[in-house]
Amino acid sequence: GAVVSQHPSRVICKSGTSVKIECRSLDFQATTMFWYRQFPKQSLMLMATSNEGSKATYEQGVEKDKFLINHASLTLSTLTVTSAHPEDSSFYICSAPRQSGGNEQFFGPGTRLTVL
Amino acid sequence: GDSVTQMEGPVTLSEEAFLTINCTYTATGYPSLFWYVQYPGEGLQLLLKATKADDKGSNKGFEATYRKETTSFHLEKGSVQVSDSAVYFCALSKGGGSYIPTFGRGTSLIVHP
Repeated sequence: GAVVSQHPSRVICKSGTSVKIECRSLDFQATTMFWYRQFPKQSLMLMATSNEGSKATYEQGVEKDKFLINHASLTLSTLTVTSAHPEDSSFYICSAPRQSGGNEQFFGPGTRLTVL
Repeated sequence: GDSVTQMEGPVTLSEEAFLTINCTYTATGYPSLFWYVQYPGEGLQLLLKATKADDKGSNKGFEATYRKETTSFHLEKGSVQVSDSAVYFCALSKGGGSYIPTFGRGTSLIVHP
């Protein structure tokens, strides 16, 4: 089946630094990918839709200058958390849809970001 | 807009008990319906899906039937195991070029030996 990977799986950084998270579709092309944020014991919050070759679409309340998204190729999207602060600590998950029959999502394993 | 409502958890069961996690949805058109499972510290995995009314999705002993008349997609398993302890998300998605899924808030399942 289709696989989506994320890197790194876990990152700890100091406040004020920037962190890049990669999301790759390993055996299929993804013109669209989604980035989510998940707080402990809560549901997924869609942050943005990453579109290959064009600008990302951000959900209301998500700062696009804070969370930079680049969909560089049909298999890679990156999320950069700029000038990270402790409140940015969270579990970040990406997904890519199977764009045929059913639209199921293939999820990455997630990235645990801790900002000190 | 579209929405998915799941029963609140946690659901706590003993091993071999029967499981039901309720899910209802509101959507225009004919969405596809999904159950995803998230084990501790991991991303989500597709558990099962149904793409049209009266379809039954099944996997690993779990089942859910797409009921358009009641707009429901309840998850069931006849005999749960400790290894089924996880968070379960009900979701819907529509085609036509829009792949953004709508998730329920998730239901935590805890199975005791």
